Amino acid sequence: AQSVTQLGSHVSVSEGALVLLRCNYSSSVPPYLFWYVQYPNQGLQLLLKYTTGATLVKGINGFEAEFKKSETSFHLTKPSAHMSDAAEYFCAANFGNEKLTFGTGTRLTIIP
Amino acid sequence: NAGVTQTPKFQVLKTGQSMTLQCAQDMNHEYMSWYRQDPGMGLRLIHYSVGAGITDQGEVPNGYNVSRSTTEDFPLRLLSAAPSQTSVYFCASSYSGVDNSPLHFGNGTRLTVT
Repeated sequence: AQSVTQLGSHVSVSEGALVLLRCNYSSSVPPYLFWYVQYPNQGLQLLLKYTTGATLVKGINGFEAEFKKSETSFHLTKPSAHMSDAAEYFCAANFGNEKLTFGTGTRLTIIP
Repeated sequence: NAGVTQTPKFQVLKTGQSMTLQCAQDMNHEYMSWYRQDPGMGLRLIHYSVGAGITDQGEVPNGYNVSRSTTEDFPLRLLSAAPSQTSVYFCASSYSGVDNSPLHFGNGTRLTVT
């Protein structure tokens, strides 16, 4: 079955440290992939997306993600965490239909 | 520019009551959808619409009805509320589907069913 898996429901990093949030997908055909961010009491906002072309995708707020077909992964990174990055992050995939499938989310906490 | 507007923001229902969650967008988006968000389960698609007059079921459609009579509006109806429908509901729209266009989300409706 086609699915999206996010490893780690909670991740804590120190301010200024590397942020790494993991996302893997299960599909015989590579999907279109997305990362969304949700701040408290708000809806989700698009961070970045991969459809075709360059496998390293840059998004807003200094985030980037790399599509690795061999590992069926689309991990999200940011070189230096900021307090304002504290939020919940969702990986999502479109498997070629009219639906977007979300992972279960990773809550990122930044330690001062 | 209002974007996606959801009303109400909060609602408490008793088991068996009915209600409609409203969603309106002013971006002339063809695609609209409803998700529910539950702790540890991410967002799950309830229903979606690719244009006025067209709706289809998502992952968890039971207990919910939708209609799309205009491009702007996509209401979600709970005919007989159950405690299992306690959740945060998000409406989202995009210009032309979810393959390449980003989803624009409303701020959610927090529903409690007692």
